[in-house]
Amino acid sequence: DAGITQSPRHKVTETGTPVTLRCHQTENHRYMYWYRQDPGHGLRLIHYSYGVKDTDKGEVSDGYSVSRSKTEDFLLTLESATSSQTSVYFCAISLAGGPTDTQYFGPGTRLTVL
Amino acid sequence: AQSVTQLGSHVSVSEGALVLLRCNYSSSVPPYLFWYVQYPNQGLQLLLKYTSAATLVKGINGFEAEFKKSETSFHLTKPSAHMSDAAEYFCAVTQGGNSGGYQKVTFGIGTKLQVIP
Repeated sequence: DAGITQSPRHKVTETGTPVTLRCHQTENHRYMYWYRQDPGHGLRLIHYSYGVKDTDKGEVSDGYSVSRSKTEDFLLTLESATSSQTSVYFCAISLAGGPTDTQYFGPGTRLTVL
Repeated sequence: AQSVTQLGSHVSVSEGALVLLRCNYSSSVPPYLFWYVQYPNQGLQLLLKYTSAATLVKGINGFEAEFKKSETSFHLTKPSAHMSDAAEYFCAVTQGGNSGGYQKVTFGIGTKLQVIP
C-alpha cells in the first residue's frame, strides 16, 4: 500500500469554525490532490499541488485553501466551515501528474459540519 | 472536454455470475481510461488502466476491461463474482496533452456492486 495517511479520520465541527485536514505521504511523489466524495457526484477535485508551495485550483475550490510547505505534507483548510462542506475528503498522490499516472488514495476523512 | 458516464448506480449479481459494469466516455482527443475500486471505509485503488498499448486490459482480482473506440466504451467485466467483490467501482478518464504537467482526471459517479450469496 502507498504510504498515505490522513488526519483526523473523523471530525464533527460547527458552522463557521475553521478546519484543517492533513495529508502525509512517505512516497516522495511530486503531485498531491484533495478530493471530496459525495453521493451522486463521484470524486471532485478541490485543489492539487505539483511541488512545494506550488498549488492550483480544482473544480470545487470555493471555500477551501491549501498549503504545501514540505513534499510530504499537504494541508486542506476550510476557513469557515458550512454544512455544504459535509463530505468525505480524500487525499491522493501521483508520481508525475501525467495522463497515464495512477493516483494512490489515502483512507479518507469524514467531516460533518453541524 | 472529457466526461464519463456510468450506467447503473447500483448493480446486483449472484455469487458466481458474470459481473458487467458499464462505462462510456466522451473525449475530444484519444483518452486514457481507468477503473478504480473502493471497498467500504477505504480509499480508491486502481483495478486497471488503458493507456493505448492494448485494447483488452487485465487488472487485479480477475477483472478486465475492453476499450471500444467505436462504442466509446470501457466496460468492466469479471466472469465469476465473489462475495469479496462487493464494493463501489469508479470509471475515470484523462486526456493526453502536449504541454506536460498535470492532466485532469474526471471520475464517474460510481457503481455499487452487491454480490448475493
